[in-house]
Amino acid sequence: GNSVTQMEGPVTLSEEAFLTINCTYTATGYPSLFWYVQYPGEGLQLLLKATKADDKGSNKGFEATYRKETTSFHLEKGSVQVSDSAVYFCALSEGGNAGKSTFGDGTTLTVKP
Amino acid sequence: DAGITQSPRHKVTETGTPVTLRCHQTENHRYMYWYRQDPGHGLRLIHYSYGVKDTDKGEVSDGYSVSRSKTEDFLLTLESATSSQTSVYFCAISESWGPNYGYTFGSGTRLTVV
Repeated sequence: GNSVTQMEGPVTLSEEAFLTINCTYTATGYPSLFWYVQYPGEGLQLLLKATKADDKGSNKGFEATYRKETTSFHLEKGSVQVSDSAVYFCALSEGGNAGKSTFGDGTTLTVKP
Repeated sequence: DAGITQSPRHKVTETGTPVTLRCHQTENHRYMYWYRQDPGHGLRLIHYSYGVKDTDKGEVSDGYSVSRSKTEDFLLTLESATSSQTSVYFCAISESWGPNYGYTFGSGTRLTVV
C-alpha cells in the first residue's frame, strides 16, 4: 500500500533560518505529491503540489521538488518567519483511487523571533 | 475555509451514545471525505463519497457510518461512541478524483467521548 514518512518533529528554528522538512513516500503507481499546512485551531490548507517527476511546487516562499529516483518531496524555505509556525503534512494521491490521499504524521515547526 | 463548514465545532458526549457530525459544502464538489486526526497518526481516512448515495470505507471505518443524500451534505455517524473515538474530525472536499487535485478542508470538529 501507499505510505508517507516525514521527519519527526518538533522543529524549532530562529527567524530567517533555512527550513527543510523531509518527506519520502512509497506508492504503487505514479502519485501526485502535496504539502499541507495546519495553523493552530484550523483545518489543513493546501500549500503546494507537484504532479510528476522533477516538477517543483512553490507557494509563499516554500518549495518542494518531486524526486522520483529518491521517492522524496522535501519542503524548503530560505528564510522562515514567526508566522510560519504550524504543522506541515506531506501527502500523496494516486489517480483512479477516488481521489483518496495518504498523509504523513505531520511535522510541527516553531519559529522563534 | 469558505465553501465548507463543519458542525458542531466542539462536542462532548457520553460513551454508548450515537453522535452525528455534519459537513456542508457550497462548492458543488463531487468528492467528500471524512478523516480523523490523532497525535502520532496523522490523518486517517474513515469514509469517503464519490457522489450522492455513493460512499465507501476508508482505513478506519469500524464504528462509523456515513450518508450523503445531497451533494452538499456528508454526515458522519458514530453509532455508539467509545473513548477511542475521541479525536479531531476533518471533512475534506475535492473537485475531481484525479491525482492532480488537492483537498479543501473544513475547520474540524473536536469530539470528546467521556
